[in-house]
Amino acid sequence: AQSVTQLDSQVPVFEEAPVELRCNYSSSVSVYLFWYVQYPNQGLQLLLKYLSGSTLVKGINGFEAEFNKSQTSFHLRKPSVHISDTAEYFCAVSDPNNNDMRFGAGTRLTVKP
Amino acid sequence: ETGVTQSPTHLIKTRGQQVTLRCSSQSGHNTVSWYQQALGQGPQFIFQYYREEENGRGNFPPRFSGLQFPNYSSELNVNALELDDSALYLCASSSPATYSGANVLTFGAGSRLTVL
Repeated sequence: AQSVTQLDSQVPVFEEAPVELRCNYSSSVSVYLFWYVQYPNQGLQLLLKYLSGSTLVKGINGFEAEFNKSQTSFHLRKPSVHISDTAEYFCAVSDPNNNDMRFGAGTRLTVKP
Repeated sequence: ETGVTQSPTHLIKTRGQQVTLRCSSQSGHNTVSWYQQALGQGPQFIFQYYREEENGRGNFPPRFSGLQFPNYSSELNVNALELDDSALYLCASSSPATYSGANVLTFGAGSRLTVL
């Protein structure tokens, strides 16, 4: 079965600084990859997804992620963060052959003024 | 279009009791998945319903059960509650008719269950 590891549980950054949230996955088959964001007291909202094609995926709110098959990674990046980006970010992987989407433990991004 | 709505938003139960959580899927979505999110952790897949039948299940005991209704809304039932069942329970809907792993999940805000 597929699995996801988010390498950093917390990432503090200053406003307008760049940020990278790291995600590695393991799977014996081709997978689909996702990043979701969760604001306090809310459900998860899709930031971006990789299904196939270009390995650089652009999402909402200025975020992008790059799929690296050789390193089994799908790191999330933003060149300049805002206070409003403070939230929990989850990387997720799904197998096209089953109905089970696996989430990482999450990375808490805190943007400081 | 309306999103995914869940009820209740918060509830408190005691060990051994039973609980029912409800979910209305987003308009046009016919598949509902349930997740458990313990404090400080990522969501864990409980099960998925499609056409009123269970269509995949994670590593949860049988006391976690569900239903899907003809209007695609769904219920999650948990019997014999344990302290470790305290968590945020998330419902997510998706389409099209068959889940291929590529469909985006639309999540509700969740039901926060506290078991004392």
